[in-house]
Amino acid sequence: EPEVTQTPSHQVTQMGQEVILRCVPISNHLYFYWYRQILGQKVEFLVSFYNNEISEKSEIFDDQFSVERPDGSNFTLKIRSTKLEDSAMYFCATQGVNLSGELFFGEGSRLTVL
Amino acid sequence: LAKTTQPISMDSYEGQEVNITCSHNNIATNDYITWYQQFPSQGPRFIIQGYKTKVTNEVASLFIPADRKSSTLSLPRVSLSDTAVYYCLVGGGFKTIFGAGTRLFVKA
Repeated sequence: EPEVTQTPSHQVTQMGQEVILRCVPISNHLYFYWYRQILGQKVEFLVSFYNNEISEKSEIFDDQFSVERPDGSNFTLKIRSTKLEDSAMYFCATQGVNLSGELFFGEGSRLTVL
Repeated sequence: LAKTTQPISMDSYEGQEVNITCSHNNIATNDYITWYQQFPSQGPRFIIQGYKTKVTNEVASLFIPADRKSSTLSLPRVSLSDTAVYYCLVGGGFKTIFGAGTRLFVKA
């Protein structure tokens, strides 16, 4: 079964450092998403990406966040200057050709900001 | 985006059928209803999707009444491994929003 792969599985960083989280989508999927989940809380939408540009973003996705798909395969989330409150699980999700279709989630990247 | 309301938590015993109902009074004509399951420290996983009436797969059934203002996820004969959070989502598009979900705890 095809799967979404995320790296790293866990990253510990100091406040103020830049972090890049990577996602390898399922091939031929067109829509890409990042979500985050703070421990014990619900899954929060961050951003969606289609045709090499952001389609939607939430109020959480401020100027400290950026996404790109630099080589046509990896889909990355960059946090420029991490804050303590960025500590969370970050999930990448991809979707095929139908916006109503199933979202396929990766196993997540746990980010700990000290 | 249609708002969804579902119970915060439910308890069940192994072998029982579990029904989780979700209310979505403002569902739009072209919205689908989708359910996801999430285990601790894992990403949500798709369970089932439907538009109207009844949908069944190897894992669950989804019942949707004619007015589509609610839906019920039915899990037959749950086991301990079905302990998870279950999310009901309506619509989606480029901004699929998860609610708080229903935390199902299955006891032996």
